[in-house]
Amino acid sequence: AQTVTQSQPEMSVQEAETVTLSCTYDTSENNYYLFWYKQPPSRQMILVIRQEAYKQQNATENRFSVNFQKAAKSFSLKISDSQLGDTAMYFCAFTNRLPTYGQNFVFGPGTRLSVLP
Amino acid sequence: NAGVMQNPRHLVRRRGQEARLRCSPMKGHSHVYWYRQLPEEGLKFMVYLQKENIIDESGMPKERFSAEFPKEGPSILRIQQVVRGDSAAYFCASSPRTGRETQYFGPGTRLLVL
Repeated sequence: AQTVTQSQPEMSVQEAETVTLSCTYDTSENNYYLFWYKQPPSRQMILVIRQEAYKQQNATENRFSVNFQKAAKSFSLKISDSQLGDTAMYFCAFTNRLPTYGQNFVFGPGTRLSVLP
Repeated sequence: NAGVMQNPRHLVRRRGQEARLRCSPMKGHSHVYWYRQLPEEGLKFMVYLQKENIIDESGMPKERFSAEFPKEGPSILRIQQVVRGDSAAYFCASSPRTGRETQYFGPGTRLLVL
């Protein structure tokens, strides 16, 4: 069974600084997708970034980038120039791209990030 | 293009009543997923549906919970005879016919069972 682990329950960062959130996962599959979702106090789930396992290049999306280490099964999120609006719960998620698995997501327990003024 | 719509946003039920949660996927999306989030926890998969078909219900409790996605209209998650432990946020997500890998989430329904 696939599992996703986020070892940092809470983190804080000063505004304008950089922070890295950790995520590790366990799977026997070779083709899959990884995601970071953000859940602000409104509790809306917002897609931040996604990574396809067959791509070696790390995904980037403006101030957000990932460090994808397939062999180590690690998928960390780096937030540069942190802004107050980045304060949220961040969930790492995994999905297998094979349709027979239903493509449901497996979510980690989340990391609560606070950006301090 | 409107996002995933869920209603109601908040639902209060007494023990033993039925809760009915609705989800309208994004336009052009024919895959719907339901997740449950308990307080201070991550989302847990419940069920995956396509139009008129349940594809994967491995995360659904065996009793009292059911889901449907009819040919016309929204997807419905139904919880019969609710208990206090059903109190949670229920999220719906959808994905398109092609490029099924990214799921777009609705705002969630917060169910409180008194």
